[in-house]
Amino acid sequence: NAGVTQTPKFRILKIGQSMTLQCTQDMNHNYMYWYRQDPGMGLKLIYYSVGAGITDKGEVPNGYNVSRSTTEDFPLRLELAAPSQTSVYFCASTRDSGVLEQYFGPGTRLTVT
Amino acid sequence: QQQVKQSPQSLIVQKGGISIINCAYENTAFDYFPWYQQFPGKGPALLIAIRPDVSEKKEGRFTISFNKSAKQFSLHIMDSQPGDSATYFCAAREDQAGTALIFGKGTTLSVSS
Repeated sequence: NAGVTQTPKFRILKIGQSMTLQCTQDMNHNYMYWYRQDPGMGLKLIYYSVGAGITDKGEVPNGYNVSRSTTEDFPLRLELAAPSQTSVYFCASTRDSGVLEQYFGPGTRLTVT
Repeated sequence: QQQVKQSPQSLIVQKGGISIINCAYENTAFDYFPWYQQFPGKGPALLIAIRPDVSEKKEGRFTISFNKSAKQFSLHIMDSQPGDSATYFCAAREDQAGTALIFGKGTTLSVSS
């Protein structure tokens, strides 16, 4: 199993551009999450999904959108990128609410200039 | 309001010493308290975790101490090694839809040889 994979690893965007961060897991996990990590701030939840077709907002959803058309994939869309979205983005997954451990991907480092 | 408060922000320990990182929480609905370890350029990985019905859990050199009445928990790393140098995050989970983790801000540990 590859676990949780994320692409790209790095990206530089200009203000106002859009992009999609990809996340795929091969563990047949139902629950998936997007977090952002800023220096000295820990990880904050952007969006989560408890299954295909079901998504919900986390603590910091503004400026982002998600979709979940399959169990494996959970892409994060940035529309009209802003410097405040410069961050490291992590995707994570877990089988369901009865399983406690979340598995994290390697992250995508995004810079908006 | 920060739901999980972590201290210290950074920590320098001599090789062979004990590293102690503390966390405090307010929400009594939290039902799971993990510690994640993150090396530079990598995603967080689960190190050790505890449920609130247990006061201590030990795995090798890593121990979680949990004080339910004080709403505090801590990570102790015995015989700290240079390879333990990393950022450590405490977290808490509320058993509700999504079951996402709420993270502390992180502690950067440096173990000097």
